[in-house]
Amino acid sequence: QVQLQESGPGLVKPSDTLSLTCTVSNGSISSSPYYWGWIRQPPGKGLEWIGSIYYSGNTYYSPSLKNRVTMSVDTYNNQFFLHLTSVTAADTAFYYCVVDEDGYNHFDPWGQGTPVTVSS
Amino acid sequence: QSALTQPPSASGSPGQSVTISCTGTSSDVGGYNYVSWYQQHPGKAPKLMIYEVSKRPSGVPDRFSGSKSGNTASLTVSGLQAEDEGNYYCSSYAGSNYVFGTGTEVTVV
Repeated sequence: QVQLQESGPGLVKPSDTLSLTCTVSNGSISSSPYYWGWIRQPPGKGLEWIGSIYYSGNTYYSPSLKNRVTMSVDTYNNQFFLHLTSVTAADTAFYYCVVDEDGYNHFDPWGQGTPVTVSS
Repeated sequence: QSALTQPPSASGSPGQSVTISCTGTSSDVGGYNYVSWYQQHPGKAPKLMIYEVSKRPSGVPDRFSGSKSGNTASLTVSGLQAEDEGNYYCSSYAGSNYVFGTGTEVTVV
């Protein structure tokens, strides 16, 4: 089965850009019908979908975050990326990368997640 | 888009059944048969338990079942076991968007 691994800085300053990488193994990021997504979970709270991207570059984002989110794909290195601008303490969360089945269905599998803290 | 509504907690004795509701609107749960359920243990990533309202991925025990009526989806865990304790989240496709539920903590007492 496809495996996902998130990486990136664990600490980001307020107003800076949060950038994360998800590396895909045991499968190709160009596999149809997979989309590749990001989901986050603030400490002690619930899950929030951030957005999803197809290997061709087609994206769709959460309406509440779309003004600050950009996602991209590197098919050569089997990676996809999340960039979230103008971060505040409210963006402190565990960030998970996921396979988004069909782009409208469900999320499976998930990466183990990476914690990101926004603080000066 | 508001979060889907779930009860904060649910509990049952070993061997009993527990049902968790997930209430949305006609724009999400009621509008699509793309409701999924996730189990999360403390410190772990969520795990898919049910997709497309009532389908079980391979490896998920048949004690887990899902259904939907109108704008409300439900997850039933039959024959509760200690390892079923954890947080459960529903999710629904909502037209180029996904919405998650508020989460339910299941306790096996």
